[in-house]
Amino acid sequence: DVKVTQSSRYLVKRTGEKVFLECVQDMDHENMFWYRQDPGLGLRLIYFSYDVKMKEKGDIPEGYSVSREKKERFSLILESASTNQTSMYLCASSIDRVRELFFGEGSRLTVL
Amino acid sequence: QQPVQSPQAVILREGEDAVINCSSSKALYSVHWYRQKHGEAPVFLMILLKGGEQKGHDKISASFNEKKQQSSLYLTASQLSYSGTYFCGTERADYKLSFGAGTTVTVRA
Repeated sequence: DVKVTQSSRYLVKRTGEKVFLECVQDMDHENMFWYRQDPGLGLRLIYFSYDVKMKEKGDIPEGYSVSREKKERFSLILESASTNQTSMYLCASSIDRVRELFFGEGSRLTVL
Repeated sequence: QQPVQSPQAVILREGEDAVINCSSSKALYSVHWYRQKHGEAPVFLMILLKGGEQKGHDKISASFNEKKQQSSLYLTASQLSYSGTYFCGTERADYKLSFGAGTTVTVRA
């Protein structure tokens, strides 16, 4: 079975803290994505990566950065968490651009 | 940048049909459709590529009109298992895959 694993299902952080969200896929996929999901807004693309050490901004990159040092791992970093970053974060991967995305179960982040 | 989905929500009785629309202001490379049940990850339904093709998945099918930059998802003879939120994802030439706000489908017995 294909698997996208997100390290934490639930996190609670304080404003100003640095936050790391980790995502690992075991399918040798080239492409990896980070989305945030908010009620009424759907899934919004934060960053994506189509190769190791490559990254591209999505539609809402402000306040976030990413790292992809190994093919199977894609990390989302919040340098200084703010309350408006409270959300569900979904990681996904795909083998190439015209193939399906496989999603992780999500990380629900609450920033107090 | 996100595609626009309509309607926002639809309530059906088992056996009824529904159409969900997805439109973009940008030229599209492909359109993806996913369904998400409450508390679960989105699950892939189908991908449509340029060329106006139509695809099917059980009694769920979709079309893609490249010129109009629109796609439609057709739920035929709906079943209780069709309940969930449906998202269209539109891919542009710059590799970005952006999703709409979703359409919540409730199928009642």
